[in-house]
Amino acid sequence: AQKVTQAQTEISVVEKEDVTLDCVYETRDTTYYLFWYKQPPSGELVFLIRRNSFDEQNEISGRYSWNFQKSTSSFNFTITASQVVDSAVYFCALAPYNTDKLIFGTGTRLQVFP
Amino acid sequence: SQTIHQWPATLVQPVGSPLSLECTVEGTSNPNLYWYRQAAGRGLQLLFYSVGIGQISSEVPQNLSASRPQDRQFILSSKKLLLSDSGFYLCAWSVRRGETQYFGPGTRLLVL
Repeated sequence: AQKVTQAQTEISVVEKEDVTLDCVYETRDTTYYLFWYKQPPSGELVFLIRRNSFDEQNEISGRYSWNFQKSTSSFNFTITASQVVDSAVYFCALAPYNTDKLIFGTGTRLQVFP
Repeated sequence: SQTIHQWPATLVQPVGSPLSLECTVEGTSNPNLYWYRQAAGRGLQLLFYSVGIGQISSEVPQNLSASRPQDRQFILSSKKLLLSDSGFYLCAWSVRRGETQYFGPGTRLLVL
């Protein structure tokens, strides 16, 4: 079965705290792609990152960083020094090889308080 | 640059009425197109995707249908809406399978 689990339903932090959003996936494919999207209150999904299964290097983009570990089937997302504008629902997604399907987790709602 | 449009932005429809949601993409040719539904407080579920004009694949059996009459136009339809059709409908495009899917602003549908 192919599945994405985001066990954290909701996280609340105070501005400037660091926060990590967990993502665990299941697939038997050796080639696949992982994604993170942000859904602000407006509803539109904003693409954050795409990672293929052969690239386990961690990535940093400004205050955002991603930790991909195939050994634990995890693709976690960390926001450093969180800001109120980071408040949103964050989705992790899996694209199995050679399919058109994106399998989404149920999302983690992040609330950053001033 | 590429942009994706959806309309209407919001829609309130009675049970049993027809539905037509439209999605158009600009700035790219022969995109893969997708319709997703997001029920309240839940993740996204793929409903349909299309790799070309007239080519539609259905992921979930339901009373919805999709059509692609033009290269960059994707339409979601229903002949008779159900209460369970309420939700947030998102259209997305990608250049090919496995590549990033970019989403439109969505349509909020409430069936009463």
